[in-house]
Amino acid sequence: DAKTTQPNSMESNEEEPVHLPCNHSTISGTDYIHWYRQLPSQGPEYVIHGLTSNVNNRMASLAIAEDRKSSTLILHRATLRDAAVYYCILNTNAGKSTFGDGTTLTVKP
Amino acid sequence: EAGVAQSPRYKIIEKRQSVAFWCNPISGHATLYWYQQILGQGPKLLIQFQNNGVVDDSQLPKDRFSAERLKGVDSTLKIQPAKLEDSAVYLCASSFSGGGYNSPLHFGNGTRLTVT
Repeated sequence: DAKTTQPNSMESNEEEPVHLPCNHSTISGTDYIHWYRQLPSQGPEYVIHGLTSNVNNRMASLAIAEDRKSSTLILHRATLRDAAVYYCILNTNAGKSTFGDGTTLTVKP
Repeated sequence: EAGVAQSPRYKIIEKRQSVAFWCNPISGHATLYWYQQILGQGPKLLIQFQNNGVVDDSQLPKDRFSAERLKGVDSTLKIQPAKLEDSAVYLCASSFSGGGYNSPLHFGNGTRLTVT
């Protein structure tokens, strides 16, 4: 299974931008990059996904490196409600999504 | 749209007992997943269904775990007999078509199982 590597934890100040990195050096040409986040006592929640081009939605932006071996999830203005575990996963054409242990984001007021 | 429904929300059993979890996916979602999430870890895929057929069950401990998806809609995951190490949150997810390409996964809030 294609693997992703993320830092265990990151901290941010409220209302500042947050850049969450992810390495996926073994990504194949058809794998999509998906990001999810998980709040305490809840299931993971979809955030954003992309293939090659950078993507924006109301929650976040996704910046994908030109060689696709890494990506960055960007939260433009962190709020306390953004404190969660963020997972970067590769979604294969068989529909298989393998989760790592994610990055725990702490947002300080 | 209604989300993925799971029940029960919590379950406490003794080791060697059996337990079953139920999942109702989002209407129209062909693909259904069961994940196991141990405290402090990311979710681990147990089984993936496409309609009512199994696509991937390579990480399902088949000596004690079983799952079925009747008529391609609801699904049940069973553990018999349970072990202490089965204590975890069991998450159900569904997607429109295989979770691939432009189909994100939609998760329920899970069932927290404690085996004593």
